[in-house]
Amino acid sequence: QQQVKQSPQSLIVQKGGISIINCAYENTAFDYFPWYQQFPGKGPALLIAIRPDVSEKKEGRFTISFNKSAKQFSLHIMDSQPGDSATYFCAASKSGYSTLTFGKGTMLLVSP
Amino acid sequence: DTAVSQTPKYLVTQMGNDKSIKCEQNLGHDTMYWYKQDSKKFLKIMFSYNNKELIINETVPNRFSPKSPDKAHLNLHINSLELGDSAVYFCASSQGGDRTEAFFGQGTRLTVV
Repeated sequence: QQQVKQSPQSLIVQKGGISIINCAYENTAFDYFPWYQQFPGKGPALLIAIRPDVSEKKEGRFTISFNKSAKQFSLHIMDSQPGDSATYFCAASKSGYSTLTFGKGTMLLVSP
Repeated sequence: DTAVSQTPKYLVTQMGNDKSIKCEQNLGHDTMYWYKQDSKKFLKIMFSYNNKELIINETVPNRFSPKSPDKAHLNLHINSLELGDSAVYFCASSQGGDRTEAFFGQGTRLTVV
């Protein structure tokens, strides 16, 4: 049972474009939704996170949009740069139960 | 200073051997985890420890035994290694409870031959 579904599996975006990655979750008890960025040979690093009391959170070029009724959330990377090329994971967890349930990841390539 | 450090980074071993991976965090966090990343990059929780006590064991074979000597350390011992155990193992830590920001180590790539 895959509790967090992520799409697309891979994405190619031109430099300066917008990268959009989508996730959907099933468990309505989830109340924390982070995005992680992973470079080859490195561990996942927290990029940005949101809780369901807000519909959008922005940090620099990275924005999370959250739709509680649809049980969906997405990551937007504005002005994508070659240095953003990495694998991105969405995740979800429940309060007081802090393990993360991950999506399957999206491999992003930003072409120069 | 590395916040979550694991050793070794690479581990190549034969089937049937026993091996250990060590993890240390200097963030003062209460909760530590082991995650497994398979060949398709899927990340899945294996264990969660809070203040040296096991909280979660997610249907992991009992050949895998975590040990937490203190709050800052969580080691993973694997007995009778199998080919299917080949993966990248990540240690992580967080403050726990509602403070769910998790910080990951650099990973240990285990290859069983």
